Amino acid sequence: DGGITQSPKYLFRKEGQNVTLSCEQNLNHDAMYWYRQDPGQGLRLIYYSQIVNDFQKGDIAEGYSVSREKKESFPLTVTSAQKNPTAFYLCASTGGSDEQYFGPGTRLTVT
Amino acid sequence: QQQVKQSPQSLIVQKGGISIINCAYENTAFDYFPWYQQFPGKGPALLIAIRPDVSEKKEGRFTISFNKSAKQFSLHIMDSQPGDSATYFCAASIFGGGATNKLIFGTGTLLAVQP
Repeated sequence: DGGITQSPKYLFRKEGQNVTLSCEQNLNHDAMYWYRQDPGQGLRLIYYSQIVNDFQKGDIAEGYSVSREKKESFPLTVTSAQKNPTAFYLCASTGGSDEQYFGPGTRLTVT
Repeated sequence: QQQVKQSPQSLIVQKGGISIINCAYENTAFDYFPWYQQFPGKGPALLIAIRPDVSEKKEGRFTISFNKSAKQFSLHIMDSQPGDSATYFCAASIFGGGATNKLIFGTGTLLAVQP
């Protein structure tokens, strides 16, 4: 099956700890994205990557970091510098068309 | 200028009725307008999308109406069913010609279809 996988589905961390969220796609898409979703708000772009070894900040990149060492993988690290990390995190990818496909999401809770 | 304003925030419709969700944008450079459907705890799924060269696009019970001069577009769900109960997001982007498509999302509409 082709698609985007995110793991884990639920993640719990203590405040002050860094945490890495996984995103893998087997769609052979060049571009990948990370969004954050909070209740009552739309999706906000954290980082995006057009090609391997290249990525750009989105609208809310502070407190986050990414890497793109392989075409199929785009992990997101939520650092201790992120002031309000509890949220639903969504990974997406785009190929040559307009359509952006989303993964199932990871719900991160930091206490 | 990068905002997409979506209304209403929530909507209750009787089974068989028409659900209408509206979005407005400012940036006239936007050239791709998708609608996404999201069920609780899941990622959004592309429902239907339109480009500004057409005023309407229909796929089954879902129709996008697009008004370029008013900078508005809307989603109509005909014969709404309880299974349509979900959060709907509009979005807009400037398709860069490559693989990047930075979407600007509306704030979402929670639709409840009552049986």
